[in-house]
Amino acid sequence: EAQVTQNPRYLITVTGKKLTVTCSQNMNHEYMSWYRQDPGLGLRQIYYSMNVEVTDKGDVPEGYKVSRKEKRNFPLILESPSPNQTSLYFCASSPNARYGYTFGSGTRLTVV
Amino acid sequence: GENVEQHPSTLSVQEGDSAVIKCTYSDSASNYFPWYKQELGKGPQLIIDIRSNVGEKKDQRIAVTLNKTAKHFSLHITETQPEDSAVYFCAASKGNDMRFGAGTRLTVKP
Repeated sequence: EAQVTQNPRYLITVTGKKLTVTCSQNMNHEYMSWYRQDPGLGLRQIYYSMNVEVTDKGDVPEGYKVSRKEKRNFPLILESPSPNQTSLYFCASSPNARYGYTFGSGTRLTVV
Repeated sequence: GENVEQHPSTLSVQEGDSAVIKCTYSDSASNYFPWYKQELGKGPQLIIDIRSNVGEKKDQRIAVTLNKTAKHFSLHITETQPEDSAVYFCAASKGNDMRFGAGTRLTVKP
């Protein structure tokens, strides 16, 4: 089944403790992206990647890092999480940026 | 950059009625306009899309219209059913840049 898999689904952590949210897709898509979803703000792009070793900032990149060492994986790294990063996070992939996305099921992160 | 506004933020209709969600965009160079449906506890799912060289597209009970001159596009759902209840997002894309609207929570009352 074609899908984007995110882990974990739920995560509660403390301020400052580094964490990684994994994202993997099995569709050989070149384009991958991370979004955060907050009430009333819709989906805001954090980072995106056009292909292996090619990443770029979206609208809200502060406090986040990404890497794209392999085509299928695009982890999101929070080096020092803060409470304002409490949100619902989605990973998405696409053949390229000019096509619709396939989204993962989301990761609900709470930073206390 | 692109700015996408979506209205209404909430919409309640009776089963069998039609529902219309409208979006406007600011960048006339945007050329791809997808619509996503997000059910509770799930990620958004692409339901229909339209490109700038097309004015209307239909897929069973859902249709999307695009007015490039006015820079707005709309989602139309006919004969609504309770399973259509969800949050719907519009988006506008140009190259690598895809921007989403804030979402519309549609409730279909049986």
